[in-house]
Amino acid sequence: DQQVKQNSPSLSVQEGRISILNCDYTNSMFDYFLWYKKYPAEGPTFLISISSIKDKNEDGRFTVFLNKSAKHLSLHIVPSQPGDSAVYFCAASGEYGNKLVFGAGTILRVKS
Amino acid sequence: EAGVAQSPRYKIIEKRQSVAFWCNPISGHATLYWYQQILGQGPKLLIQFQNNGVVDDSQLPKDRFSAERLKGVDSTLKIQPAKLEDSAVYLCASSLTPMNTEAFFGQGTRLTVV
Repeated sequence: DQQVKQNSPSLSVQEGRISILNCDYTNSMFDYFLWYKKYPAEGPTFLISISSIKDKNEDGRFTVFLNKSAKHLSLHIVPSQPGDSAVYFCAASGEYGNKLVFGAGTILRVKS
Repeated sequence: EAGVAQSPRYKIIEKRQSVAFWCNPISGHATLYWYQQILGQGPKLLIQFQNNGVVDDSQLPKDRFSAERLKGVDSTLKIQPAKLEDSAVYLCASSLTPMNTEAFFGQGTRLTVV
């Protein structure tokens, strides 16, 4: 039972353009959504999060959008840089961050 | 600030053998997590500790997996006996509070069961 789905296994983007990574969820009880970034041979690193009471959160080049009615969130990276090439995991949890549920990840490749 | 330390980095064992992984969280972090990441999937929470008490172990296969966190600091995760399907990366993470946005992950231990 996949409660968090990232349907695109990979995405390739030209340097300087926008990267859009998508994530869908099924559990309406999820209250908090997070994006993690993972480089090879390293552990995941927290990138950005959004509470269910918001529909947008921005941090520098990274913006997360939440559409609760569609149970969909997306991560926008503008402009994309080669150093952004990594695996991006979408994750969701109940209130106060209990028990993170991760998606399968999307491999982002930013070409220079 | 030192990060989450895990050892070993890699381990290859035969099925039915036992194996143990060690994790040293960031100093002062009360919450510690063990995740299992199978190739092509996202990390799955196995167990969560708050200090030395278990908060959530609902997804830990207790017939073969065990974990402890002595004195609320270091933690070990053990598998006995291992099965082929246990091949995965085992990630340890820690946070000051149960709020997972503050969780810091170690590099993980890649286990191969042959």
